[in-house]
Amino acid sequence: GENVEQHPSTLSVQEGDSAVIKCTYSDSASNYFPWYKQELGKGPQLIIDIRSNVGEKKDQRIAVTLNKTAKHFSLHITETQPEDSAVYFCANAGGYQKVTFGTGTKLQVIP
Amino acid sequence: NAGVTQTPKFQVLKTGQSMTLQCAQDMNHNSMYWYRQDPGMGLRLIYYSASEGTTDKGEVPNGYNVSRLNKREFSLRLESAAPSQTSVYFCASTLNGAANYGYTFGSGTRLTVV
Repeated sequence: GENVEQHPSTLSVQEGDSAVIKCTYSDSASNYFPWYKQELGKGPQLIIDIRSNVGEKKDQRIAVTLNKTAKHFSLHITETQPEDSAVYFCANAGGYQKVTFGTGTKLQVIP
Repeated sequence: NAGVTQTPKFQVLKTGQSMTLQCAQDMNHNSMYWYRQDPGMGLRLIYYSASEGTTDKGEVPNGYNVSRLNKREFSLRLESAAPSQTSVYFCASTLNGAANYGYTFGSGTRLTVV
């Protein structure tokens, strides 16, 4: 919970390039770090998550890395495609119901 | 599998009117949530229900009430709508709390208060 800073707020990449979004957090009790993708007019959708006992997790073209010492975690999308264009939110959770969301990154993949 | 279903999708209210936003999930989840999403403010928690029979305030509860009708349904009520409540409202659910489980969100209700 508590503060989560997300950068950048907007990101444009050429199709096929990689995209990286970074979040930093302040609550050292955080132990769960999900990422959500929100397409226009839809609700956010969970795309990948990582827990504090793991440093990296990969699912096809997306991966998340976590550095608990530095208190930051990042989303990596490789071989971007136009359908990856959306707003991405990071979040972190500490206590039972304490979830804090980042302010979002609007990703545009240019064909 | 429908997931989380919200109704209505769009609504326009006059200041002072009341309305109830409906939410239902078919995933046998224990915990349910109401968020609002505003430009530049991100997602903010209004109320949540950790399990059937319990409800608790979130970050921005003023002007809202909730009812956990049963395990499946969690409604949000605006008793006297104000222009500041113009927003997109999302219902979400998790298996058990939010510390270790990601949310499943509904598709949202876009509310305008004039």
